[in-house]
Amino acid sequence: DTEVTQTPKHLVMGMTNKKSLKCEQHMGHRAMYWYKQKAKKPPELMFVYSYEKLSINESVPSRFSPECPNSSLLNLHLHALQPEDSALYLCASSQAGGSELFFGEGSRLTVL
Amino acid sequence: RKEVEQDPGPFNVPEGATVAFNCTYSNSASQSFFWYRQDCRKEPKLLMSVYSSGNEDGRFTAQLNRASQYISLLIRDSKLSDSATYLCSCNTDKLIFGTGTRLQVFP
Repeated sequence: DTEVTQTPKHLVMGMTNKKSLKCEQHMGHRAMYWYKQKAKKPPELMFVYSYEKLSINESVPSRFSPECPNSSLLNLHLHALQPEDSALYLCASSQAGGSELFFGEGSRLTVL
Repeated sequence: RKEVEQDPGPFNVPEGATVAFNCTYSNSASQSFFWYRQDCRKEPKLLMSVYSSGNEDGRFTAQLNRASQYISLLIRDSKLSDSATYLCSCNTDKLIFGTGTRLQVFP
């Protein structure tokens, strides 16, 4: 079982909705990540938080807004998404930058 | 050129076979390397880290060649349960994944 917990597991939303994806880890890791994965493609990095500060934003559109309330929690706020944003959104954590990632089970998002 | 490249496969092998995957990376500053396994509609799970001296974990052996900028994964005595997509990954200031290699082991 993964030690990174993501909710919800599935989400269907319209293009005008506002929703949030949540991620929690209790391994004491200081880096947390959001990846996006489309079918038959590798995970693509979106954001990296290191010590609760945003350290990397891979030119992600502003309709995706990350938030790190504390060292254990990571949120991804969604607003005015497009159907092409439908994907599996994976949260991950690591002890430090450069070390192996531990992934949550993902939130499967469908935008109608 | 992609930062991390893999042969997408699929590799279809019989049980008991030995299969090898290669992965090349373009950023010579990459510092750490990993192999992940991903089952269909599941999250990636760490299979093993890759060390400069090479490392082995049971039936799995990982190698790193910094001069040629590639890493490899060797699976011996393939099992049906090894069927999955294998992702290599390289880390500079962020972890980048290769496209993944699909392995299908058949009886």
